[in-house]
Amino acid sequence: DIQMTQSPSTLSASVGDRVTITCRASQSISSWLAWYQQKPGKAPKLLIYKASSLQSGVPSRFSGSGSGTEFTLTITSLQPDDLATYYCQQYKSYSFTFGPGTKVDIK
Amino acid sequence: EVQLVESGGGLVQPGGSLRLSCAASGFTFSSYEMSWVRQAPGKGLEWVSYISNNGRTMYYADSVKGRFTISRDNAKNSLHLQMSGLRADDTAVYYCARDLRIASGEPSFTDYWGQGTLVTVSS
Repeated sequence: DIQMTQSPSTLSASVGDRVTITCRASQSISSWLAWYQQKPGKAPKLLIYKASSLQSGVPSRFSGSGSGTEFTLTITSLQPDDLATYYCQQYKSYSFTFGPGTKVDIK
Repeated sequence: EVQLVESGGGLVQPGGSLRLSCAASGFTFSSYEMSWVRQAPGKGLEWVSYISNNGRTMYYADSVKGRFTISRDNAKNSLHLQMSGLRADDTAVYYCARDLRIASGEPSFTDYWGQGTLVTVSS
């Protein structure tokens, strides 16, 4: 199975800060990577698919990049509503493994 | 509007069985692949199982293989997860998820999630 890692596991940033989360795959997954946002007590929500394609309705301050084994999710100007845990997921092959998550706190 | 509503969760004893259901609406259910994903209390997301749109292809996580069975009824717009041999580490919120395939030849990914149903395995 493909293993996914994320860093950092938690981060605390101020409103307006640029935030970057890294996701790494144990083998190449081409661009078959999605990013999800999960707010406390809620279901996950798709932000990015195919590594860099923004899901309809998602604010443009979210962006994704990368290919192969290293990927990033960037929030260009952190907003209070962005308090959440962010997960990457590879969908190159079953099982669809998730990263362990990155919890984003607002300072 | 896409809606996925899970049901069937609850408290079950170790070794017991439970059948989860997901009622889908707001889209052509028979055209979409579907999955189940779970989340143990305070933990991350774990993909559980996948079924193709016609129900002929299924995949399972190693942790549930041989114990869980995914199925669907396209006539009733419903997805199911039959769980047996339940263990304490199966305790989780189980999410029904719609998978989207943008183009043929590309793999599918989850674009919508239900709100989840809690399964608790305990004596």
